[in-house]
Amino acid sequence: EVQLVESGGGLVQPGGSLRLSCAASGFIFSDYWMSWVRQAPGKGPEWVAYINQDESKKSYVDSVRGRFTISRDNAKNSLYLQMNSLRAEDTGLYYCVRDSKAATSDYWGQGTLITVSS
Amino acid sequence: QSALTQPASVSGSPGQSITFSCTGTNSDVGSYNFVSWYQQHPGKAPKLIIYEVTNRPSGVSNRFSGSKSGNTASLTISGLQAEDEADYYCSSYTTSSSLDRLFGGGTKLTVL
Repeated sequence: EVQLVESGGGLVQPGGSLRLSCAASGFIFSDYWMSWVRQAPGKGPEWVAYINQDESKKSYVDSVRGRFTISRDNAKNSLYLQMNSLRAEDTGLYYCVRDSKAATSDYWGQGTLITVSS
Repeated sequence: QSALTQPASVSGSPGQSITFSCTGTNSDVGSYNFVSWYQQHPGKAPKLIIYEVTNRPSGVSNRFSGSKSGNTASLTISGLQAEDEADYYCSSYTTSSSLDRLFGGGTKLTVL
C-alpha cells in the first residue's frame, strides 16, 4: 500500500523557517517524480514544487522561488521542503504527492499544517 | 496565473447524473490532455478520480467519467450517491509562467 506521511509543520513567525519531511513507503520511491502541493483554508490546492527522480529537475511556483527548496533522499525514501522567509500567505496544509504522469498526482499524504503568524 | 474556473457549488438528488465544468485557456486545458479530477471529502486528502481527461485509476467507480471540449473539461457523475458529496477539483498541466499545473477553485457537490 502506498503511504506518504508528512511531518514538520507547525506555527512559525513571519520570516521564520521550517523543514517539511515526507516518508514514503509501499512503492519504489526512486522511480517517481514527487511534488509538494499546498491548500490554504477553504481554497483549492496550489502546486508548490516538483522534483524528478535524480534531483536534476526541480521547479517552483513563482511565489516561493528563492525561498523554498525541494529535495529528496532516495536511500531514505524521503522528500523534503525547506521553507525560509515564511510569509502569512504561505499558511496552509502542505501535501506530499506522488506524480504518476505529467502534472498528475495519484497519491497524496494527509498533509502537515503550516501556520505563519505573529 | 489564474486558477482554472469551476462553479462554486452544484447539487443533485440520488440517482441523478451531474456534470461539473472546469474552464481554462489554450495554455492549459485547451492544448493538453493532462487534465485530472480530484475528490476531497472534509478533512481528507484529495483523491485522484480521473486523469488524462478520461481515464479512471484502478478502483474508481465507473460512475465517474471525464471529457473535454476546447478549453473546458467536464466531470460527470452518474447514479449520484450520498457518498459522492464532497469537493471536486480539476487540474491541468500548463505552460503558463513557471507553473507546472493549475488547479481549479473547486466545486462543492451537495447530494440532496
